[in-house]
Amino acid sequence: AQTVTQSQPEMSVQEAETVTLSCTYDTSENNYYLFWYKQPPSRQMILVIRQEAYKQQNATENRFSVNFQKAAKSFSLKISDSQLGDTAMYFCAFMKPWTGNQFYFGTGTSLTVIP
Amino acid sequence: EPEVTQTPSHQVTQMGQEVILRCVPISNHLYFYWYRQILGQKVEFLVSFYNNEISEKSEIFDDQFSVERPDGSNFTLKIRSTKLEDSAMYFCASSEDGREGCEQYFGPGTRLTVT
Repeated sequence: AQTVTQSQPEMSVQEAETVTLSCTYDTSENNYYLFWYKQPPSRQMILVIRQEAYKQQNATENRFSVNFQKAAKSFSLKISDSQLGDTAMYFCAFMKPWTGNQFYFGTGTSLTVIP
Repeated sequence: EPEVTQTPSHQVTQMGQEVILRCVPISNHLYFYWYRQILGQKVEFLVSFYNNEISEKSEIFDDQFSVERPDGSNFTLKIRSTKLEDSAMYFCASSEDGREGCEQYFGPGTRLTVT
């Protein structure tokens, strides 16, 4: 079975600073996909960034980037130049191919950006 | 931008009653999903649905659960005889297609409280 662990239930960061959210996972698969989703207060989850395991290059989306360490089964999210709108719950998720695209989620990290 | 919508936002029901949770996926999407999150726990996959059939289901999705796409727009989750442990947030999601690693778009959730 796949498991996803987010060891930081809560984090805070000063506006304009950089913060890294950690995520580790356990799988015996070689090919899979990793995602970070963001859930602002009282809003739906939206995709932040996505990584394909067979790609060595770390994904980036504007201020968001990942540090994907396949051997260590680690997938951390770095948010640069934090903004107040980044305040949200962040979920790390694992997807195994050929399983109906079902996600395995971590428990989430609640990030607060402090003005 | 198109969004997944869910109704109601909060449903309270008595143990043993049937409930139907409703979702309207994004209009051109073909794959639909239900997840649930018990308070304080991980978001868990329930079922995926394509072409009017279940593609995958988890062990949580037992005979008490069913899904249906009764018309061209709605996607419903029915719980036949609710139990206290069914109390959770239920999220609907949809994806454009079933490609490996395809992004899923989530609704805001329905909070189900079983008393």
